[in-house]
Amino acid sequence: DGGITQSPKYLFRKEGQNVTLSCEQNLNHDAMYWYRQDPGQGLRLIYYSQIVNDFQKGDIAEGYSVSREKKESFPLTVTSAQKNPTAFYLCASSIAGQVRGGSYNSPLHFGNGTRLTVT
Amino acid sequence: QQQVKQSPQSLIVQKGGISIINCAYENTAFDYFPWYQQFPGKGPALLIAIRPDVSEKKEGRFTISFNKSAKQFSLHIMDSQPGDSATYFCAARGDDKIIFGKGTRLHILP
Repeated sequence: DGGITQSPKYLFRKEGQNVTLSCEQNLNHDAMYWYRQDPGQGLRLIYYSQIVNDFQKGDIAEGYSVSREKKESFPLTVTSAQKNPTAFYLCASSIAGQVRGGSYNSPLHFGNGTRLTVT
Repeated sequence: QQQVKQSPQSLIVQKGGISIINCAYENTAFDYFPWYQQFPGKGPALLIAIRPDVSEKKEGRFTISFNKSAKQFSLHIMDSQPGDSATYFCAARGDDKIIFGKGTRLHILP
């Protein structure tokens, strides 16, 4: 079955440590995204990548970094510079890379998220 | 102008009733309005979507009503079932960007 796999499901880290969240997709989608979800806040875009070896900052990129070395993979690193890292992180993909955030013919497909807790 | 305002924050409906969630937007350049459904511990999944050139779209028990002049759109869930209990997000796309509402937690009483 095609889909997006995020791992791990739960992640615990001490303050000051960097942590990397994994996202792999086998949908052959060009575009991949990272969203952050906080209670009552909706989904906010961290980074997105429309094509391999290229990515752009979203609305809340500070304290995060990404790479896109392979079409299937888009890992997110939460650095110690991120002031409030505890959140639910969602990875998504869409068919077409030229339309950021998906479109009618290229909707977003989400993974099941990683819940990160930093203490 | 980039906001999508969603209401209510939470909603409780009796089994068999109609659940209605409303969203409003300001940017007239928005051209795609999806609704996502999210169960606890899972990622959101596309439920239904509409373009602004139609006023209504129905898929099974789920209907989007779209009022372009009022810049509002709503999700109606007919014959609501306990399995519909989830968080629902409206969204709008424009200026090469998807904006999400803050979500509505829907609980259907058995």
